[in-house]
Parts: sequence; structure tokens; C-alpha cells
Amino acid sequence: DGGITQSPKYLFRKEGQNVTLSCEQNLNHDAMYWYRQDPGQGLRLIYYSQIVNDFQKGDIAEGYSVSREKKESFPLTVTSAQKNPTAFYLCASRWGGGGNQPQHFGDGTRLSIL
Amino acid sequence: GNSVTQMEGPVTLSEEAFLTINCTYTATGYPSLFWYVQYPGEGLQLLLKATKADDKGSNKGFEATYRKETTSFHLEKGSVQVSDSAVYFCALSLLDTGRRALTFGSGTRLQVQP
Repeated sequence: DGGITQSPKYLFRKEGQNVTLSCEQNLNHDAMYWYRQDPGQGLRLIYYSQIVNDFQKGDIAEGYSVSREKKESFPLTVTSAQKNPTAFYLCASRWGGGGNQPQHFGDGTRLSIL
Repeated sequence: GNSVTQMEGPVTLSEEAFLTINCTYTATGYPSLFWYVQYPGEGLQLLLKATKADDKGSNKGFEATYRKETTSFHLEKGSVQVSDSAVYFCALSLLDTGRRALTFGSGTRLQVQP
């Protein structure tokens, strides 16, 4: 079945540590996105990528980094510069063609501070 | 800027009651509109969408009509079930922005009691 796989489901970060969240899709989608969700709030865009080897900052990119070396993969690194990383992180992808295609989401990674 | 406003929750209903979750939007262009549903501990699933004025999206008994004159996209269901308990997000997407990311409302939690 086609879909988006995020791993791990739960992740713990120590002070001063960088951690990387994995996102893989087999939908052959061009565009991929990372969102952050805080309790009782909507989702906020961290980074997005429309094509391989290209990505752009979203609304809350500070303290995060990404790479897009392959079409199916878009990992997110939460760096030590992100002072409040505890949140639920959602990866999404979207077909890059014309029209109004919806985004498809993975099941998320919950990041907590040790 | 673009924004989405949803009614605050939680919304608590008895099984078989009628559901309305209000959603209004502000957009600089002509958006596509979406409703997503999130079950506990999971990612978001697309529930329905509408891409132009007066379009009605529908799925699993849920409906929403794109009302350009009132900039609204209210979600309705005639008879809710316990299994509909979840958080519902209204979102918009604009084609004329390069990123085509979603702008989300803050979500409305629905609790359906037997």
C-alpha cells in the first residue's frame, strides 16, 4: 500500500543533542512538508520541498534543518538551537501537478525532552 | 495574510445528534478548502475538500459547502456516531503561492457519547 512512514513514533532528546526524524513516502509525490503540532493548536509549517535537492523555510524554521537527496525521503533534524522542541511532528506529501491536490500525512513522531 | 478560524471545542454530543463545526477563512487569493480529521495519537486524514465556490465536499456522511460570499466552510453531519470522536481541522491552500502548504485552524475536538 502507498503511504507515508514516519519513524520513530516516540523520540527523546537530551539537552544539547541533535535528533533526526525520518519521513519516507512511496506515493511518488513531488512535494513534501514538515509540520509541528502543539497541544490544542493547529499545525505550523517548518520546512517544505517541492523537488529533490531543493527546500524552503516555512513559518517556524529556526532550530530545524532538512535535506532532500531523494524524492521519497525528507528527514528533519531538530538541533540543539531549538529550545522548545517538545511537540508532535507530522510529515506530509503532495502530488506536485496542477489542480488542488490534498496533502497526505504520516502518523507522526512525538518528541520529548529528557 | 491567510488564516482559518474554527469554533472552539470541545463539542460534546449524544450519538445520532446533528453536528456543525464552524469554519471561516481569510485569504489573499482564491483558496481550496479542506477538512482533516485526527484520531488520538495519529496523523491527519483528509475528510473532504472543495476547490471552488458552491462546491460541496462529502465523505462518510460529512458535508461542507464552499461559501465564498461568507468565506465559510462549515462541517456538518446529520447523525454522529461514537466513532466520529476526534479532532477536526479546517484548512486552506492557495495555488498562487509557491509552497502550496496548508494553513490550518486550531482544531475542534468532538466527543460523542453513547
